[in-house]
Amino acid sequence: AQKITQTQPGMFVQEKEAVTLDCTYDTSDPSYGLFWYKQPSSGEMIFLIYQGSYDQQNATEGRYSLNFQKARKSANLVISASQLGDSAMYFCAMRERSNTDKLIFGTGTRLQVFP
Amino acid sequence: EADIYQTPRYLVIGTGKKITLECSQTMGHDKMYWYQQDPGMELHLIHYSYGVNSTEKGDLSSESTVSRIRTEHFPLTLESARPSHTSQYLCASYQGNTIYFGEGSWLTVV
Repeated sequence: AQKITQTQPGMFVQEKEAVTLDCTYDTSDPSYGLFWYKQPSSGEMIFLIYQGSYDQQNATEGRYSLNFQKARKSANLVISASQLGDSAMYFCAMRERSNTDKLIFGTGTRLQVFP
Repeated sequence: EADIYQTPRYLVIGTGKKITLECSQTMGHDKMYWYQQDPGMELHLIHYSYGVNSTEKGDLSSESTVSRIRTEHFPLTLESARPSHTSQYLCASYQGNTIYFGEGSWLTVV
């Protein structure tokens, strides 16, 4: 069964510094997609970045990059130059393409950026 | 901007009442999902659908039911609400490499 693990319940980072949020996954499906979402206190889910299992390069979107290590089954999110507005919950998610098409999420990491 | 809508956004109802949470998307997506999330906690998949007349239960057991009679509409129903159903319910649809979320429905059962 597919599974997503986020082992960091909370993280602190100083403004303008970089931070890495960990995500490991488990699947037997060779074809899958990995997502990161941000959820501020307002509750909306904001899409950040996507990585496909067959993508050759690590995904990047502005200040967000995904450190994809397929053999280790990890998909860590790197946020560069943190801003106060980055304070939020961050969720890693996975979709198995050739199976049930379920989308499952990790338990999340609460990031707090301080001045 | 995603065209996926949830109503109501906020609802307080009494125990034993029947409630339907609406979710509609105008993007023509076949795959749709319902998640239950307590504040600051993980998202639990409770129902999903591949398309019209196709629904499946998710990983978290739920007393709710869903239907998918039209592609754009995926309502969730609680026949008899209980305080344990108090939570946020998030609807989502999927196409390509993006999951689109609605703004969520905050349900409080008193």
